[in-house]
Amino acid sequence: NAGVTQTPKFQVLKTGQSMTLQCAQDMNHEYMSWYRQDPGMGLRLIHYSVGAGITDQGEVPNGYNVSRSTTEDFPLRLLSAAPPQTSVYFCASSPEGTVSSYEQYFGPGTRLTVT
Amino acid sequence: GIQVEQSPPDLILQEGANSTLRCNFSDSVNNLQWFHQNPWGQLINLFYIPSGTKQNGRLSATTVATERYSLLYISSSQTTDSGVYFCAVEWRYGGATNKLIFGTGTLLAVQP
Repeated sequence: NAGVTQTPKFQVLKTGQSMTLQCAQDMNHEYMSWYRQDPGMGLRLIHYSVGAGITDQGEVPNGYNVSRSTTEDFPLRLLSAAPPQTSVYFCASSPEGTVSSYEQYFGPGTRLTVT
Repeated sequence: GIQVEQSPPDLILQEGANSTLRCNFSDSVNNLQWFHQNPWGQLINLFYIPSGTKQNGRLSATTVATERYSLLYISSSQTTDSGVYFCAVEWRYGGATNKLIFGTGTLLAVQP
């Protein structure tokens, strides 16, 4: 199994550009989520999904959209990038539809810079 | 919301030394995980430990859920242990689904 994969690894955007961060997992996990990590801080939850067709907001959802059309993929869209969205983005998955009682597994991260 | 605090925020060790990292949380949680983020940014699961004690090689962890804390022990530290250690608690946030809430981490540097 490849586990949780993310692309791209690095991205530079200009203010106002849009892009999609890709996340895929091959473990048949129901639960997937996106986090951002800023310097000196822990990870903060952006959006999550408990299964295909179901998504919901986390702590810091503004400026981001998600969709979950398949179990494997959970892309994160930035509609109009802004400098405060400069961060490292992690995708995670776990086996169950809620995170309860199961470990979460993280992808390698995408480092995004918005100028 | 729930507060997850880790201490110390920074730690410098000589290779071979032992250390204890602490994670305190302000509300009841369903579960707790410890992660190591290596200098390349990769997050690695160390322990999934809702309660009790677990050991994996030179690392061990203890969670006392009733007293709202968890401890991570590193023995005979090595330079490869360097990085940031996060605890993350599973907490009911808003709706019916539990979420993983991260602490701010302990930055560990092990010197040869």
